Amino acid sequence: QSALTQPASVSGSPGQSITISCTGTSSTVGNYDLVSWYQHHPGKAPKLMIYEGSKRPSGVSNRFSGSKSGNTASLTISGLQAEDEADYYCCSYAGTVVFGGGTKLTVL
Amino acid sequence: QVQLVESGGGVVQPGRSLRLSCAASGFTFSSYGMHWVRQAPGKGLEWVAVISYDGSSQYYADSVKGPFTISRDNSKNTLYLQMNSLRAEDTAVYYCARGMVRGVIFPPFDYWGQGTLVTVSS
Repeated sequence: QSALTQPASVSGSPGQSITISCTGTSSTVGNYDLVSWYQHHPGKAPKLMIYEGSKRPSGVSNRFSGSKSGNTASLTISGLQAEDEADYYCCSYAGTVVFGGGTKLTVL
Repeated sequence: QVQLVESGGGVVQPGRSLRLSCAASGFTFSSYGMHWVRQAPGKGLEWVAVISYDGSSQYYADSVKGPFTISRDNSKNTLYLQMNSLRAEDTAVYYCARGMVRGVIFPPFDYWGQGTLVTVSS
């Protein structure tokens, strides 16, 4: 069982917005801005989408945003596109690196 | 541009050993902490190990502590993962990844390789 809990799946239609949650503890999420988010298309290299909770690396679309409330971090994707269909993982650090179990995003 | 290319995967019998390599290019390899992350079939990502920029510190997930050793050769811009006493549960795609912040061993990981498949089976 992951120390970070994500929903197994979410779905949305093109143009809609979706949010993926990542629930941890005060050490992994609540007290520090350590959460990063990765997009993973099967068979390809994972891609960093958000780091330090809400920062976007250069080149990542501004349709992707990160936030936090208490011990839950969230990734929001607005204006869903077919190419956003992928697995998404949150990640944090609390003495060791932990990943969430992953969320499969389906674009209907 | 930054490139990470893993190699060394394959089919290996339980109890045997395998060494993975990750060839880095496009950046100053000796300035960054480097990680191994794996994904078992049908499962999520699992962090495996990290090594500091100069090789002086290594940390491991509890699941691989003991049998696995991470190392690097900064003169060859190459990261390694020596995997001993392999078990079926070690079957996975193994990715190398760069820690984004120079000199730091924590996430995030800003560049990843395409991965190399390790299958442990008799």
